Amino acid sequence: EDKVVQSPLSLVVHEGDTVTLNCSYEVTNFRSLLWYKQEKKAPTFLFMLTSSGIEKKSGRLSSILDKKELFSILNITATQTGDSAIYLCAVERVDYKLSFGAGTTVTVRA
Amino acid sequence: SAVISQKPSRDICQRGTSLTIQCQVDSQVTMMFWYRQQPGQSLTLIATANQGSEATYESGFVIDKFPISRPNLTFSTLTVSNMSPEDSSIYLCSAGAGQNTEAFFGQGTRLTVV
Repeated sequence: EDKVVQSPLSLVVHEGDTVTLNCSYEVTNFRSLLWYKQEKKAPTFLFMLTSSGIEKKSGRLSSILDKKELFSILNITATQTGDSAIYLCAVERVDYKLSFGAGTTVTVRA
Repeated sequence: SAVISQKPSRDICQRGTSLTIQCQVDSQVTMMFWYRQQPGQSLTLIATANQGSEATYESGFVIDKFPISRPNLTFSTLTVSNMSPEDSSIYLCSAGAGQNTEAFFGQGTRLTVV
């Protein structure tokens, strides 16, 4: 059975802090790892990672994948209150099905 | 990426009734899926909506409870049948065009069964 484990489950930081979110996985027939941000109902896409060691960046967010050690990291620098959300890690199989981790709830205090 | 219009956005339903959720994609997509997110939990895959054939259900989900239609490459429905309070969840459809394209989601349907 596929397994996706995120840590920490929650954290509280102050504006300007940097956060690092972790995602480890065990999955058969791996295709990609994705990060989503969920604020209300629908997850919004952040990154799709398919290759090890290549950092993807979007503004203050960045992510990297290690396919040998089976984990990924999502970093958020200079956090803002608008970064408060649940961050979901999902592993996609070759049949395009997603297995999600439990999510990390990030709270950024002003 | 494409845009998925999902409706209704939310509903409050009586136990024993059924609700049909619709998802319309603004372009043709190969794969469509339905997920459930129970309160305080992460997303769980219900089924793969197959165009022109019966949906493929994950363990713990059955067609009688969650019938799914997918008449073409841009549209799918999920029905939650004979609802009970345990069905109160967010239901999400997702789609992906295939290789090197991320899965994207509809806006979600928040269902409350009373």
